[in-house]
Amino acid sequence: GQNIDQPTEMTATEGAIVQINCTYQTSGFNGLFWYQQHAGEAPTFLSYNVLDGLEEKGRFSSFLSRSKGYSYLLLKELQMKDSASYLCAVEDSNYQLIWGAGTKLIIKP
Amino acid sequence: IAGITQAPTSQILAAGRRMTLRCTQDMRHNAMYWYRQDLGLGLRLIHYSNTAGTTGKGEVPDGYSVSRANTDDFPLTLASAVPSQTSVYFCASSASADTDTQYFGPGTRLTVL
Repeated sequence: GQNIDQPTEMTATEGAIVQINCTYQTSGFNGLFWYQQHAGEAPTFLSYNVLDGLEEKGRFSSFLSRSKGYSYLLLKELQMKDSASYLCAVEDSNYQLIWGAGTKLIIKP
Repeated sequence: IAGITQAPTSQILAAGRRMTLRCTQDMRHNAMYWYRQDLGLGLRLIHYSNTAGTTGKGEVPDGYSVSRANTDDFPLTLASAVPSQTSVYFCASSASADTDTQYFGPGTRLTVL
C-alpha cells in the first residue's frame, strides 16, 4: 500500500529552528510537495522536490532523498505566524498526490 | 484576484438529502480535484478531472459524483448524504495533471445529521 508518515505534533520556540520529517512508500515517485495549512484555512504551497538535495526558499528549506524515501522541511527563525499544520504529499506514478496526515507545529514565545 | 472559489462555506444537511458543492476557478487550469479532509487523516482524493469533459475516480469516490462541463466549474454532488460524509471538502486545481502545483479553494465544511 501507499503510506506517508510524519509526526503528529511538534513544539518549538520562537526564533529557533525546527525540522519536520516525512517518510514515504508509494507506487512510483514523481515529486514531493510540502504545504502549509493554518487552522480553518486551505493548504498553501510551500515547496516541491523531485531531485535529491536541498531546495532553499527564504526561511524555509526542503530536502529529499529518493533512495531513502525521506524528506524534511526545515523552518528557520521561527515566527508565531508559522504555527500551522505542515502537509507532506508525494505524487505517485499516476500523478496523483498521496497526502500525509500533517504535522501540527506549535510555536511558543 | 485569480483563484478558486467554493460555495457554500458551510452547510448542515439532513441525512438522505441531495447536496451539490460548487467550485469555480478563473486560472484556466486544465486539472481540478475534490478532496475531503478528516481529523487525523491526510487529504483524500474523491474525484478528479484532467481536462474539461473528462473525470476520474480517486481514493474515496463512493457516494459522490462530479461533472466537468467546462474548464472553470467542477461541482461535487452527494446524491443521498450520510453522516460519514461529514467532513471539510476542498476543491483544487492545477495547470496540468502532471507534476504541477495544486492550488486550493477555501473549503466547505459539511455536517450531515
